[in-house]
Amino acid sequence: SQQGEEDPQALSIQEGENATMNCSYKTSINNLQWYRQNSGRGLVHLILIRSNEREKHSGRLRVTLDTSKKSSSLLITASRAADTASYFCALNSNDYKLSFGAGTTVTVRA
Amino acid sequence: SAVISQKPSRDICQRGTSLTIQCQVDSQVTMMFWYRQQPGQSLTLIATANQGSEATYESGFVIDKFPISRPNLTFSTLTVSNMSPEDSSIYLCSVVTGDQPQHFGDGTRLSIL
Repeated sequence: SQQGEEDPQALSIQEGENATMNCSYKTSINNLQWYRQNSGRGLVHLILIRSNEREKHSGRLRVTLDTSKKSSSLLITASRAADTASYFCALNSNDYKLSFGAGTTVTVRA
Repeated sequence: SAVISQKPSRDICQRGTSLTIQCQVDSQVTMMFWYRQQPGQSLTLIATANQGSEATYESGFVIDKFPISRPNLTFSTLTVSNMSPEDSSIYLCSVVTGDQPQHFGDGTRLSIL
């Protein structure tokens, strides 16, 4: 199964700034999901975007999906210290199994 | 979304021993999965836990090392057998129903001495 490739690997921003991370993949997907993980704890589901959708919002989060470029982005606006975490994209290709990218570590400085 | 309880949350084990991790969901779910997250790494799927039948393992994982049970639609166990330091990881169960997002338990942080 394919894996997503995320960039950047790490991101350090000032509180209040926006953070953007990207996920690219190689073959077709059913949906793409973004997760947050705080310091080795469990994964928290953020947003699911289906292959026929282009953009979804949830609070300060915005996810886009461009199936022609096989890429997705996660934007966190007006970041807070509590947003410090690792963010993962996960690809679902019709069999419910998820293939995870390597993740982006986001540090929000006060 | 389903509430997932995973036990134990962490353990420290001696090499050569085995540990069974439990995953309990508060509602019936279609699919249950087990993932491994090695230190500093992303998640890798170990297997799909099939209700009433043998689990389906991903490449690189075998039943003798990671036996899995799923006796009903709300419960599954993963055993890590004959542990070595290389098995030190976070083990996570996840559940999904229909076309909904996949949700994860808090994970079991396992250290082998």
